[in-house]
Amino acid sequence: AQKVTQAQTEISVVEKEDVTLDCVYETRDTTYYLFWYKQPPSGELVFLIRRNSFDEQNEISGRYSWNFQKSTSSFNFTITASQVVDSAVYFCALSDPGGSYIPTFGRGTSLIVHP
Amino acid sequence: DTAVSQTPKYLVTQMGNDKSIKCEQNLGHDTMYWYKQDSKKFLKIMFSYNNKELIINETVPNRFSPKSPDKAHLNLHINSLELGDSAVYFCASSPWTGESGANVLTFGAGSRLTVL
Repeated sequence: AQKVTQAQTEISVVEKEDVTLDCVYETRDTTYYLFWYKQPPSGELVFLIRRNSFDEQNEISGRYSWNFQKSTSSFNFTITASQVVDSAVYFCALSDPGGSYIPTFGRGTSLIVHP
Repeated sequence: DTAVSQTPKYLVTQMGNDKSIKCEQNLGHDTMYWYKQDSKKFLKIMFSYNNKELIINETVPNRFSPKSPDKAHLNLHINSLELGDSAVYFCASSPWTGESGANVLTFGAGSRLTVL
């Protein structure tokens, strides 16, 4: 069973628009970790954020913000005032004891920001 | 200094050949991983090594074998290559945090394997 679902395969926006990338996860464990990674066109995977299951505070880092809601098993990522450099594939990942704490990735959302 | 380095970056080979991809990390991490990314960008774990011991081995064909001479290296050997093996293979490493699960991965740049 898929443990991390990113239902949006591709999103296309115009620069300066706000965009939210959805992530829904599934786990039987009470302790787990959630992550977001970015894969720009250059191909490397870059870590963005980590969240543990006991910390539901939303986080903001510049134009990036994350909304963690255990009630809906979601960990959504919002980019405010998007820029062309935000164009990338974004992956949500889950690490839990049931998976031996090996991060399991969603299928990714390709974000295209047009000038 | 490159934290996680993979070689080669590109590899083109014929079906049936045997090939290896090397990975080295200079971060002092205890755990290393191999992920396969298919043409649809799906990232799937293949292997994970912690202190030279295999801690998880997903259902990959036994044509694939990880080899770790020391904790800074995790090489991937592939025998009898098939067309379906064409993909980008990513090596990654992380500090081992016991069972806390807070393993932030540092990835290499990827190795694109094309099997003809």
